[in-house]
Amino acid sequence: KNEVEQSPQNLTAQEGEFITINCSYSVGISALHWLQQHPGGGIVSLFMLSSGKKKHGRLIATINIQEKHSSLHITASHPRDSAVYICAALYGNKLVFGAGTILRVKS
Amino acid sequence: DGGITQSPKYLFRKEGQNVTLSCEQNLNHDAMYWYRQDPGQGLRLIYYSQIVNDFQKGDIAEGYSVSREKKESFPLTVTSAQKNPTAFYLCASSAGSSYNEQFFGPGTRLTVL
Repeated sequence: KNEVEQSPQNLTAQEGEFITINCSYSVGISALHWLQQHPGGGIVSLFMLSSGKKKHGRLIATINIQEKHSSLHITASHPRDSAVYICAALYGNKLVFGAGTILRVKS
Repeated sequence: DGGITQSPKYLFRKEGQNVTLSCEQNLNHDAMYWYRQDPGQGLRLIYYSQIVNDFQKGDIAEGYSVSREKKESFPLTVTSAQKNPTAFYLCASSAGSSYNEQFFGPGTRLTVL
């Protein structure tokens, strides 16, 4: 069964902390997406990666194909980073979504 | 500005009524998708369309119907056959297949009274 597991489900951090959100998937995939869902519900795509690492501003995404694992890191976290972070794995031509990690950054 | 619009943002319906959710995109994307989001669960695919006048069932298509008469529009009808329609519905589009980045609309929250 093609699954995507995220951890933790909920995460509370203090402003400035380094944050890591994890995503694991069950079988070989062709790509993995990281998405951000704002409190109002809108979703934006952060990264799509199939190997290695990508960086955009304070966000870094890594993927380890052999270990079937991806991480999303946020450096110098800020209250505006508070959102739900979702990973989605591409199995063939089908995206399978994780349940999301609810992140709250306190000032 | 290019993007995806969904309307309305909040929708209430009585049990037994059909309701249609709108999704429009001006990104010139070929592929469009409808997802359902329930608390504590990942997004689940309802229907998708890769080209005008063609669409495919996703994982949870029962009780829903769609049409794709124009490239920019992909409306979703929630029928009275859908047993548990209260949810948050998201529309997305991509240039080609889901191999590419998907762009999401703001969503419609449907509540059945």
